[in-house]
Amino acid sequence: DGGITQSPKYLFRKEGQNVTLSCEQNLNHDAMYWYRQDPGQGLRLIYYSQIVNDFQKGDIAEGYSVSREKKESFPLTVTSAQKNPTAFYLCASSWRLVAGGRTGELFFGEGSRLTVL
Amino acid sequence: GENVEQHPSTLSVQEGDSAVIKCTYSDSASNYFPWYKQELGKRPQLIIDIRSNVGEKKDQRIAVTLNKTAKHFSLHITETQPEDSAVYFCAASSSSQTGANNLFFGTGTRLTVIP
Repeated sequence: DGGITQSPKYLFRKEGQNVTLSCEQNLNHDAMYWYRQDPGQGLRLIYYSQIVNDFQKGDIAEGYSVSREKKESFPLTVTSAQKNPTAFYLCASSWRLVAGGRTGELFFGEGSRLTVL
Repeated sequence: GENVEQHPSTLSVQEGDSAVIKCTYSDSASNYFPWYKQELGKRPQLIIDIRSNVGEKKDQRIAVTLNKTAKHFSLHITETQPEDSAVYFCAASSSSQTGANNLFFGTGTRLTVIP
């Protein structure tokens, strides 16, 4: 069953602790993304990766880190430097876009809800 | 960077009526405009998209229009049904340079269809 899987679904963290959210896809997509969703603010891009061993900052990368050691995996670490980490985090993947090529559709995971206590 | 504004933030319609959601964008280089639907507790899913070389696209009860000059695009849902109730997000991107689909999302519209 092809798709994109995020874990854990719910996570609680104490202030000052780092936490890592997992994202795995078996769609053979090259590109992967992390978004943060807050009420009334839509989806904001944290980091994205086009290929293995390469990733770029999005609009709100401060306090987050990522790695892309395998095509299938793109874990997100929420560090203690992130001042307001309580949010819903969505991972997504897509084909790399080429002009006139494949659709740019993003396939999302079911999300991880992080709560800082 | 790109700035996408979306209106209204909430919309209630009677079943069978039409619903229209509007978005504006700031970057004239944007060339791809998808719409995502997120049902309560579920992941966002693409429902329709349009590229800048066309002005309108239709898929059954949903349609999207694009006005490049004015830099706005709209989602139209006709003959609304209760299962259309969800949060709808518009987005814009100019992705040809990097190959990654860096979408900039609007803030979402919560549509409620009243039976």
